This record gives sequence, structure tokens and C-alpha cells, in this order.
Amino acid sequence: AQTVTQSQPEMSVQEAETVTLSCTYDTSESNYYLFWYKQPPSRQMILVIRQEAYKQQNATENRFSVNFQKAAKSFSLKISDSQLGDTAMYFCAFMKQGNTPLVFGKGTRLSVIA
Amino acid sequence: KAGVTQTPRYLIKTRGQQVTLSCSPISGHRSVSWYQQTPGQGLQFLFEYFSETQRNKGNFPGRFSGRQFSNSRSEMNVSTLELGDSALYLCASRVSEGYTEAFFGQGTRLTVV
Repeated sequence: AQTVTQSQPEMSVQEAETVTLSCTYDTSESNYYLFWYKQPPSRQMILVIRQEAYKQQNATENRFSVNFQKAAKSFSLKISDSQLGDTAMYFCAFMKQGNTPLVFGKGTRLSVIA
Repeated sequence: KAGVTQTPRYLIKTRGQQVTLSCSPISGHRSVSWYQQTPGQGLQFLFEYFSETQRNKGNFPGRFSGRQFSNSRSEMNVSTLELGDSALYLCASRVSEGYTEAFFGQGTRLTVV
């Protein structure tokens, strides 16, 4: 079974600074997908960024980028120029190739401080 | 385009009762998944439906069941509620099986007293 570990329950960052959230996972699969989801107080999970394991290039979406280390089974999220609206729970998630469900980590609560 | 709609948003039930939650996926999406979110266990997969058929099932007791209608709307039912069933229940829709991007609703907060 796949597992996803987020070792930082809570983090804080000053507005406009950069923060990195950590995620490690365990799998014997070679083809899979990794995701970062954001859950603000409104409770709706929002997809932040996605990475296909077969792609060596790290995914980026505006201020969000990942550092994907396949051999180390590590998938960290970097948020640049942090904004107050980035305050939320962030979940790292794993999906095997094929029709399989998402496996989530326990989440990191990020607070952006003005 | 409307997002994933879950109703009701909040629900309070008594132990032993049953409850039905509803999820309307994004128009054109045919796959619906359900997840339970609790502070202790985090997000756990309940089941997924596609074309009115259950495709995957998580490790939950038989008190948890679901179904999907021909218009892709889905319902989940929990019978004989227990205090531990108090949670946020999230629904996610995908275009189809095999698509990786899942869109979530705002969830139904169920409190069992």
C-alpha cells in the first residue's frame, strides 16, 4: 500500500517570503502521479499543482513549484512571494496509474503572516 | 460552469440514525469519489462510482454505502450512525476514469451526537 508523509504539521511564513512544504511517499510503483492540494477555511480542496512521475522536469504553476526527487521519493512544494490568501491546509497526495483513488498525507497548516 | 455541489453543507444526527449525503458533479463529469476527513485519520477514500457502478471501495464498514444515478449525481448513505462517523465528507468529480484531475466540493460536515 502507498503511504504519504508530511512531517511538518504547521508552518508559518512572512508575506512575500518563500516557504517549502515537505512530502515523502512510499511506493513500489514506477508510474504514478503526485499532487498538492490546498484546503482553505472554506473547506474546498483546490488542486495547486500536479507532477507525473515519468517526467523529470519539475512542475511549476505561477508562484508554486515542486522539487520532485523520484529516487528519494520526495515531493516538496515551494511557494514564492507568499500571500495572505495562501493561508490554508496543504495536502500532498499520491495516485497510482490507472483508475485508483488519491492517497493523502495528513497535511501541513500554513499561516502567512502580514 | 458550476463546480461540484454537495448538500447539505451541515448536518446533525443522533447515534443510531441514518443519513444520506448528496453530490452533484461538474457537468460532463462521470466519475464521483467520496472521502471522509477527520482530524485523527485525515482524508480517507470511501468509494468511487463511474457509470452507476462502484469501481473502487475503501476500507470502511458496510454501514457506508453509495450509489450513482444516470445523471452522474451520487449519494452516500451511512446507517446506524456512530459518534466516530462525525467528519467532513468530501465528494470529488473527474471527467472519467483514468483522468487524474479531481475537483472537490465544499463537503458536508456531519456531526453525530
